[in-house]
Amino acid sequence: RKEVEQDPGPFNVPEGATVAFNCTYSNSASQSFFWYRQDCRKEPKLLMSVYSSGNEDGRFTAQLNRASQYISLLIRDSKLSDSATYLCVVPPIPNFGNEKLTFGTGTRLTIIP
Amino acid sequence: GAVVSQHPSWVICKSGTSVKIECRSLDFQATTMFWYRQFPKQSLMLMATSNEGSKATYEQGVEKDKFLINHASLTLSTLTVTSAHPEDSSFYICSARGSGAFSYEQYFGPGTRLTVT
Repeated sequence: RKEVEQDPGPFNVPEGATVAFNCTYSNSASQSFFWYRQDCRKEPKLLMSVYSSGNEDGRFTAQLNRASQYISLLIRDSKLSDSATYLCVVPPIPNFGNEKLTFGTGTRLTIIP
Repeated sequence: GAVVSQHPSWVICKSGTSVKIECRSLDFQATTMFWYRQFPKQSLMLMATSNEGSKATYEQGVEKDKFLINHASLTLSTLTVTSAHPEDSSFYICSARGSGAFSYEQYFGPGTRLTVT
């Protein structure tokens, strides 16, 4: 099983719709997670951090299911500007001596007018 | 706060030449810097991790003699692609992490697009 797996999409969603995609992770000891968004030819930008069961920020909700080892990202009332690739990222486990972020392959989202 | 810059933002070079990419943390001290490479429609792949004042740790499959990394100060790391070939054409992104409030998140630079002809 890959360390971090995402459905690559693409997801083509009409403007105003709700869209959700998942990310599964293999290391049950992972304690926190990030969702980044990356626009074409740009660097990744942190969207949300997930530490406990979930996090909500405006139209974006991230949820963590530890039992099934997945994180989801829900986008409500989607806007054209939400079109991007969404990367699921697993940070290092504290005190394990590993500094590496582990990136998923990303989910490509296109919002259609 | 937590701004990371890269220079140049894009570069075109001829096969066989060397290219140096700079990564700077502008408003914090970067104790650790990371270099990534991203090919079209793929995710970021970590190339190496460098701590200020020590040798970089390269990921498996990354040639340390081809991709020279220098992290000489707490605000600057450089990646030199030596004897570049067309297959080295890619998007190179650095990230930096500091201490204290800057210790948990990696802050990404805007990337450098390298095209080798």
